[in-house]
Amino acid sequence: NAGVTQTPKFQVLKTGQSMTLQCAQDMNHNSMYWYRQDPGMGLRLIYYSASEGTTDKGEVPNGYNVSRLNKREFSLRLESAAPSQTSVYFCASSAGTLGQPQHFGDGTRLSIL
Amino acid sequence: SQELEQSPQSLIVQEGKNLTINCTSSKTLYGLYWYKQKYGEGLIFLMMLQKGGEEKSHEKITAKLDEKKQQSSLHITASQPSHAGIYLCGADQDSSYKLIFGSGTRLLVRP
Repeated sequence: NAGVTQTPKFQVLKTGQSMTLQCAQDMNHNSMYWYRQDPGMGLRLIYYSASEGTTDKGEVPNGYNVSRLNKREFSLRLESAAPSQTSVYFCASSAGTLGQPQHFGDGTRLSIL
Repeated sequence: SQELEQSPQSLIVQEGKNLTINCTSSKTLYGLYWYKQKYGEGLIFLMMLQKGGEEKSHEKITAKLDEKKQQSSLHITASQPSHAGIYLCGADQDSSYKLIFGSGTRLLVRP
C-alpha cells in the first residue's frame, strides 16, 4: 500500500550545499511531478515528467534539476541550495490521462540555513 | 496562483454546522480536483469533476462544477472535527494533465 514514497522526510542544509530528493511510485503511472508548497501559496509545479524519458519545466524550475531514472523513480536535485528554497517538497504521480488524479507522497521538509 | 482563486482562506466552524469552500478559475476547466491535506502530511484525493453541472458526493462532502466549468464548490454537511485540515482545489486548465492549485482553505471544526 505504498503509493508514492519520498525520501528523506526532513533535511537541513547549509547555503551552497547540494542534495537530491528521491521519489518512487509503485502504481505503474506514466507521469510524475515535483511541487513545492510555501505558506499561503498553495502548490507550485517545479518540474514534471509526462512519460519515462521526458522532463519539462513547470512554473518555478530555477535552481532545480530533475531526472526520470525509470518509470518508477523521479528525483529532484538542488545543485547549490539557497534559503529561498526552504519549503515543503511534494512528489506526485498520475496515469497521465485526462480525468485521472495525481497521487501525492507525504512530502520532504527542507530547511536551508 | 492568480489563475485559480480559492475562498475563504480560513474557516472556523462549530461541529455540526455546514460549510462551503469555493474555487474559481480564470479559464474554462478540463478537470477540477479537490484534495484534503492534514497538517504536516501529503494531499489526499477527494473528488474530480469534469462536466459542466456535475455533482459528486462522498459521505458528507459534496462537490459541484458550474455549467460554465469555471467555478467549483465543496460543501460539507454537519461538519465533524475529523473534517479539519487544508482543502485545496487543483485545476487542469489546458488539457495537459498538469494542475494549477489554489492557495488552500484551512478548516478548523470546534467540538
